[in-house]
Amino acid sequence: SYELTQPPSVSVSPGQTARITCSGDALPKKYPYWYQQKSGQAPVLVIYEDSKRPSGIPERFSGSSSGTMATLTISGAQVEDEADYYCYSTDSSGNPLFGGGTKLTVL
Amino acid sequence: QVTLKESGPVLVKPTETLTLTCTVSGFSLSNARMGVSWIRQPPGKALEWLAHIFSNDEKSYSTSLKSRLTISKDTSKSQVVLTMTNMDPVDTATYYCARIRVTAMIDYWGQGTLVTVSS
Repeated sequence: SYELTQPPSVSVSPGQTARITCSGDALPKKYPYWYQQKSGQAPVLVIYEDSKRPSGIPERFSGSSSGTMATLTISGAQVEDEADYYCYSTDSSGNPLFGGGTKLTVL
Repeated sequence: QVTLKESGPVLVKPTETLTLTCTVSGFSLSNARMGVSWIRQPPGKALEWLAHIFSNDEKSYSTSLKSRLTISKDTSKSQVVLTMTNMDPVDTATYYCARIRVTAMIDYWGQGTLVTVSS
């Protein structure tokens, strides 16, 4: 079955750039999306359609794609960015799925 | 302002059927470009998409859970209902409903409701 693969964890110091990857065979044809989930809260959309940022999301969040890999970049990560991040997309049939999530530690 | 709110039992017994209701406001379930998805998250684990329904009654289900899930809507009540049969302790999770667009983007989420399966 189709999967979106993310690293389990990424760790950076405050002010550094954090990069979280997501790989999937359908990504060249299907948009990736990224969600931030802080402890005990519902997910929040931070990037949609590969690289677009919803209103209210800080400019330090950006997205990009190349081939079968999508990347969420947090430039100058802040302590408040510490959270789980999930990529999301659809398979070739259009069925949604989430990646396994990446725990971002900023300290 | 778009809001979604899940309601249902907090505790179900193994083999029972779970019925969850999502009540939406700020958008209409008759909007051709929007629908409602259900997503769950076991404690400490990843998000898992379960099902969605659109205004034209188009439905889609997770392949692995399709035999146990039914999604329906009552547009007049602004509610979407998910039923899951034959509940098992591994189904213990926070269940979220969320707005999904025809582009597949999920843009608004409910707060989630924790359902525990235990005898």
